Amino acid sequence: DAGVTQSPTHLIKTRGQHVTLRCSPISGHKSVSWYQQVLGQGPQFIFQYYEKEERGRGNFPDRFSARQFPNYSSELNVNALLLGDSALYLCASSRTSGGMTQYFGPGTRLTVL
Amino acid sequence: GESVGLHLPTLSVQEGDNSIINCAYSNSASDYFIWYKQESGKGPQFIIDIRSNMDKRQGQRVTVLLNKTVKHLSLQIAATQPGDSAVYFCAEMENRDDKIIFGKGTRLHILP
Repeated sequence: DAGVTQSPTHLIKTRGQHVTLRCSPISGHKSVSWYQQVLGQGPQFIFQYYEKEERGRGNFPDRFSARQFPNYSSELNVNALLLGDSALYLCASSRTSGGMTQYFGPGTRLTVL
Repeated sequence: GESVGLHLPTLSVQEGDNSIINCAYSNSASDYFIWYKQESGKGPQFIIDIRSNMDKRQGQRVTVLLNKTVKHLSLQIAATQPGDSAVYFCAEMENRDDKIIFGKGTRLHILP
């Protein structure tokens, strides 16, 4: 069975631009969460979506937004990119919401110049 | 505040020996604890988990121990192999939500 997939693998943007990252969960999983991992640190929670509704939000500015589609795939959008947004963006899926094991995708490496 | 931390940033172990990676957590409300392994350029890989109603859980070559009294979590890897080289994160979560809180990670080096 396919795991969590993310696209693109790598992305280079310049300051001020916007970016859209995509995630497809494991088949049968209805919850998707997004994390940001800066080099040398653990992942930081950004959003969680379940059944197309936002269920949780981390301490990130409004420039970050996300949505979940009827097929449970998800997009993370970041507007007005800053140099500090350079990071590995990870998507994780779980069967349902509420204390379930989350499985991570390979991530999208975003570099902001 | 809530945080999950690891005692050592780097751990070097001889191939074939057992590895023990330790973790301290501070959120008493956490119900669920997970160990992830992250290899260079990859996403975190689930290794093993444990709920707060247990104090020990075993998997294939791995054991997780939970001591709620002192808020301590450990991962034991038996007969460490070169493929075990990675950064290991302990993580915590409350059953009522899906926000995983990660620590900074411990890099495991395997010596030949």
